[in-house]
Amino acid sequence: DTEVTQTPKHLVMGMTNKKSLKCEQHMGHRAMYWYKQKAKKPPELMFVYSYEKLSINESVPSRFSPECPNSSLLNLHLHALQPEDSALYLCASSQNWGDNYGYTFGSGTRLTVV
Amino acid sequence: KNQVEQSPQSLIILEGKNCTLQCNYTVSPFSNLRWYKQDTGRGPVSLTIMTFSENTKSNGRYTATLDADTKQSSLHITASQLSDSASYICVVSAVYTGANNLFFGTGTRLTVIP
Repeated sequence: DTEVTQTPKHLVMGMTNKKSLKCEQHMGHRAMYWYKQKAKKPPELMFVYSYEKLSINESVPSRFSPECPNSSLLNLHLHALQPEDSALYLCASSQNWGDNYGYTFGSGTRLTVV
Repeated sequence: KNQVEQSPQSLIILEGKNCTLQCNYTVSPFSNLRWYKQDTGRGPVSLTIMTFSENTKSNGRYTATLDADTKQSSLHITASQLSDSASYICVVSAVYTGANNLFFGTGTRLTVIP
């Protein structure tokens, strides 16, 4: 298995909702990442998990809450989002943090906040 | 400052024609450079990855070149197909850990028309 699987593919949520994005990989990668990508812009790093520990939080608002239950799973919990948070959310993984050879992106979750 | 610049921003070509996309970077110390193809609303898919010592690498109709002295890379697409319509993103990684070490270009939007 050489894929990073993200669910759901599409999500529409209200500003008072609580939802979660899920990311899963079975490549034995020990680093996992969340990115946010707005239209026609490059992905922006949000969080890095290394060996299931949060290693980087790029000053992301607390309405985004990451969680790494085990080495294969990465969640992003969403609460009280704003319409400007609408974007494509990408998960990625690599063998180790900083190791870019096996860097693999998921297909993303298209999030719309209404 | 670590930067990755791509040109052109957008490109329209006829099906069957060749094209070349450019990437200039100032990332240091350099680790590797990767070209991704990203369809609208989907995650980036890796096309090639090149290290300091590699000048050329091919993947089917895609050929990437790297000049580490001038810090330039190109992606050449041969005999373009309609399915090549996508954004092509150049990503350069630096040799360090403990911080974000991946730097994204803003991409070239390629449209192939019949």
